[in-house]
Amino acid sequence: QSALTQPASVSGSPGQSITISCTGTSSDVGGYNYVSWYQQYSGKAPKLMIYDVSNRPSGVSNRFSGSKSGNTASLTISGLQAEDEADYFCSSYTSSSTRVFGGGTKLTVL
Amino acid sequence: QVQLVESGGGLVKPGGSLRLSCAASGFTFSDYYMSWIRQAPGKGLEWVSYISSSGSSIHYADSVKGRFTISRDNAKNSLYLQMNSLRAEDTAVYYCARDYSTSSPRYFDYWGQGTLVTVSS
Repeated sequence: QSALTQPASVSGSPGQSITISCTGTSSDVGGYNYVSWYQQYSGKAPKLMIYDVSNRPSGVSNRFSGSKSGNTASLTISGLQAEDEADYFCSSYTSSSTRVFGGGTKLTVL
Repeated sequence: QVQLVESGGGLVKPGGSLRLSCAASGFTFSDYYMSWIRQAPGKGLEWVSYISSSGSSIHYADSVKGRFTISRDNAKNSLYLQMNSLRAEDTAVYYCARDYSTSSPRYFDYWGQGTLVTVSS
């Protein structure tokens, strides 16, 4: 049950776009369209931002989008805003019927 | 609205036990899988365990297998995590989360506020 691989940090200026990658294996990310993304502010509970690779829950800004190619999923945030500064985690279902998270990515808005 | 409220966290000595509870409201609890997810101080999220809506299917992370037991009481709209043989590395905020599933669990759509478990002598 190795964690999915995410960059430790990414940064961007207001109005720019950034992409956070999430790399797994064919036993998790590559094998299922059950990748989800979560936003977490310091000291708060995570919030679902993207589910099933590319779907947005009601109420989540359309500036957030998700995709997947092979064993790597991606979260893209366009039109970056100061309020987007947070930690982001990916998650996937696995072939062992378990779940796995990425190590998390700290987004800094410059 | 969906609410998940964890309780039962606290300070426990290594080797000790603790039972966490999660009270659910605002949805039909018996229709949903549920998960426990933890976060060590300053670290990332780690999935711990999930249980199917009926309780018939249960899975654990290798790090807690044999020590932790997940259960639920659908009549009481409650989820539990019995934690035995606790270690320092189990120190974390423990979240319960609603686990949306169809044929397989897919994503965590609602989370509680978390309860802190500290394992220290």
